[in-house]
Amino acid sequence: TQLLEQSPQFLSIQEGENLTVYCNSSSVFSSLQWYRQEPGEGPVLLVTVVTGGEVKKLKRLTFQFGDARKDSSLHITAAQPGDTGLYLCAGADLWSAGNMLTFGGGTRLMVKP
Amino acid sequence: NAGVTQTPKFQVLKTGQSMTLQCAQDMNHEYMSWYRQDPGMGLRLIHYSVGAGITDQGEVPNGYNVSRSTTEDFPLRLLSAAPSQTSVYFCASSYAGSNEQYFGPGTRLTVT
Repeated sequence: TQLLEQSPQFLSIQEGENLTVYCNSSSVFSSLQWYRQEPGEGPVLLVTVVTGGEVKKLKRLTFQFGDARKDSSLHITAAQPGDTGLYLCAGADLWSAGNMLTFGGGTRLMVKP
Repeated sequence: NAGVTQTPKFQVLKTGQSMTLQCAQDMNHEYMSWYRQDPGMGLRLIHYSVGAGITDQGEVPNGYNVSRSTTEDFPLRLLSAAPSQTSVYFCASSYAGSNEQYFGPGTRLTVT
């Protein structure tokens, strides 16, 4: 069973601060995704990274896939209250049937105005 | 398109009762899956299907059954509910060639 460890589990910051969330594994993934989930809703895909070393930007969010495709990070610049939510990383392995994903435990972010 | 829909939104069961969580998608996705979400544990795969008539077990299948008679529907059955099945259940779907999962809004189940 592949495991994805996310850190930190909880993060409470002031508006305008920067933060980084980490997603680590001892296993190699063919791709890694980041989802954001708001209370009472299902996760929504933010980004998929596929190539080792790949960096993708989504406005103030920067996603990076590790060179060895075992880890990833999400960096938020100048966080806003609207960024509050649960951030989940999920990995797909080369041999998974049905596109199934392995999820990390999540990072719960609260941005205070 | 409604996307992925789930019913009911909330459910309370007594230990030993059975019920079916409904899931439907209107995107013509080949793949569908069920996850449960517990605090601090992310989402764990219960069962999945790669097409009508084909299902397989995920990481935590015990106590749950599924069937896929049509492309659109993928119900999850709890045969005899236990307190350990108290959780939030999410149904998801995706195209065969993509890892991008589309999730429903979830069903919050409490077993007393």
